[in-house]
Amino acid sequence: NAGVTQTPKFQVLKTGQSMTLQCAQDMNHEYMSWYRQDPGMGLRLIHYSVGAGITDQGEVPNGYNVSRSTTEDFPLRLLSAAPSQTSVYFCASSYLMTGRETQYFGPGTRLLVL
Amino acid sequence: AQSVTQLGSHVSVSEGALVLLRCNYSSSVPPYLFWYVQYPNQGLQLLLKYTSAATLVKGINGFEAEFKKSETSFHLTKPSAHMRDAAEYFCAVRSTGTASKLTFGTGTRLQVTL
Repeated sequence: NAGVTQTPKFQVLKTGQSMTLQCAQDMNHEYMSWYRQDPGMGLRLIHYSVGAGITDQGEVPNGYNVSRSTTEDFPLRLLSAAPSQTSVYFCASSYLMTGRETQYFGPGTRLLVL
Repeated sequence: AQSVTQLGSHVSVSEGALVLLRCNYSSSVPPYLFWYVQYPNQGLQLLLKYTSAATLVKGINGFEAEFKKSETSFHLTKPSAHMRDAAEYFCAVRSTGTASKLTFGTGTRLQVTL
């Protein structure tokens, strides 16, 4: 199993540009989520999904869109990038079943918005 | 609402010394608690988790944590630090019935010196 994969590893954007961060998992996990990590702030939940076709907002959803058309993929879209979105983004996935809820994280995407 | 507080953003110990990283949680329902480790430029890896079974939880790499309901704490310890333990450590809480949503603390960076 590849686990949770994320592309790209690093991206530089100009203010106002759009882009999609890709996330895929091959563990048949129902739950997928996106976090951003900023110095001194830990990880904050952006959006999450409990299954294909079902998404919901986390703590910091503004400026980001998600969709979940398949169990495997959960892309994160930045429609109009802003410098405040400079961060490291992590995708994570897990089962929903109690006792199997450990989240597995991808290697991260480092985003710089100029 | 659920939250975690990690006391000390930086902790420095000598190799061979006791490691103690503090985590206090707030949850209105019985919590699930997790410790994750992040090595430089990598994603997060699960160290251990508490899911209402034994209050003393043993994890990987010699780490353990004790759930103390009376103190709302879940401190992480290791009897003898190694250089390879230098990393950032995150405590996280998930309240039962919240669809795997994790709330992270702000992290503690562990430095191990010779």
